[in-house]
Amino acid sequence: KAGVTQTPRYLIKTRGQQVTLSCSPISGHRSVSWYQQTPGQGLQFLFEYFSETQRNKGNFPGRFSGRQFSNSRSEMNVSTLELGDSALYLCASSLYLGQTGELFFGEGSRLTVL
Amino acid sequence: SQQGEEDPQALSIQEGENATMNCSYKTSINNLQWYRQNSGRGLVHLILIRSNEREKHSGRLRVTLDTSKKSSSLLITASRAADTASYFCATANYGGSQGNLIFGKGTKLSVKP
Repeated sequence: KAGVTQTPRYLIKTRGQQVTLSCSPISGHRSVSWYQQTPGQGLQFLFEYFSETQRNKGNFPGRFSGRQFSNSRSEMNVSTLELGDSALYLCASSLYLGQTGELFFGEGSRLTVL
Repeated sequence: SQQGEEDPQALSIQEGENATMNCSYKTSINNLQWYRQNSGRGLVHLILIRSNEREKHSGRLRVTLDTSKKSSSLLITASRAADTASYFCATANYGGSQGNLIFGKGTKLSVKP
């Protein structure tokens, strides 16, 4: 069974640009969550999607957005990039919304903003 | 905001020794989980302990949970060089959803051969 796949793995952008990151969950998993990891703030929850609907959102500005497609694949977008957006963006999938259990993480997309 | 605080922030031991990491949290939880992260990679789930459980084992891992003290510990016995990684505790809060875990800042474990 394939794991969670995130693309691209690495990318470099400049301030003011926008970026779109993609996540394909484990087959059969319908819940997808996104996290931002930085050395200073650690791992912070961005948002969670289930059945194409955003169910939870973390404390991030509106420049951070996401969506989920009918096949459970998810994308997140960051507009008007700032230097502080440089981070490892991790996607995680799980079977059910509301059932507390383990998350399966992808390898992450490392974004560098210059 | 961070929920869990791991202690110590960094730990260096020799192969074969035991490693103990602690985690404290602030609010009522549904469960507490431990994850491992090799440098710059994704997180791997290690073990989950529910709020009504006090101890759980998985291979060389032993986790305890004390809800009265809002703390947990992860013990790795007979450590190996391959255990070198960062370890994070994460809490699933009461009323929260599965995808919204609150992570601590992690303990960086170095196991020397």
